[in-house]
Amino acid sequence: QQQVKQSPQSLIVQKGGISIINCAYENTAFDYFPWYQQFPGKGPALLIAIRPDVSEKKEGRFTISFNKSAKQFSLHIMDSQPGDSATYFCAASTTAQGAQKLVFGQGTRLTINP
Amino acid sequence: DVKVTQSSRYLVKRTGEKVFLECVQDMDHENMFWYRQDPGLGLRLIYFSYDVKMKEKGDIPEGYSVSREKKERFSLILESASTNQTSMYLCASSFFKGDRRGNTIYFGEGSWLTVV
Repeated sequence: QQQVKQSPQSLIVQKGGISIINCAYENTAFDYFPWYQQFPGKGPALLIAIRPDVSEKKEGRFTISFNKSAKQFSLHIMDSQPGDSATYFCAASTTAQGAQKLVFGQGTRLTINP
Repeated sequence: DVKVTQSSRYLVKRTGEKVFLECVQDMDHENMFWYRQDPGLGLRLIYFSYDVKMKEKGDIPEGYSVSREKKERFSLILESASTNQTSMYLCASSFFKGDRRGNTIYFGEGSWLTVV
């Protein structure tokens, strides 16, 4: 049972375009929604995160849009660059015994064509 | 910089072998995690620990156990490796939730395990 559903599985975007990755969740107890970026041969690294009390967060070219009523959130990468080519994971967390336990989406392999 | 180090990057083991995956973090984090990553499935939590000698099952604990004898070290144990445990294993760590230093989870670079 996948608690966080991510789409698409793969995405190809031209340089300078907008990349959009979507996620949906079911558990209303989730209170933290990060996006992780993973390059080949590396572990995932935090890219940007949002809490459910705001509808949007922007950091540079990366924006999270959050729709609490629809239980959906998305990552937008503006002016996409070849260096953005990576696998992106959305995630959501609950707290269990003091640990920020993350549940991940299936991942999106993003390719930016030069 | 936070450093989560997984000692073995690539391992090949035989079916039935006992396998140890070791992880060390240098940021005095309370929480440590083991995930496995498979194509199309994302990252799935195997076990986590919020304190020394404490452990909690994640979503897919079957066939695995863990050990945390020291705060900085978290080991994943495959008691009897099977081919369906061929995967990439990721260790991670974080501060206690609510810690003012933030609740980012930091990952190691992964251990690729092949069971033949």
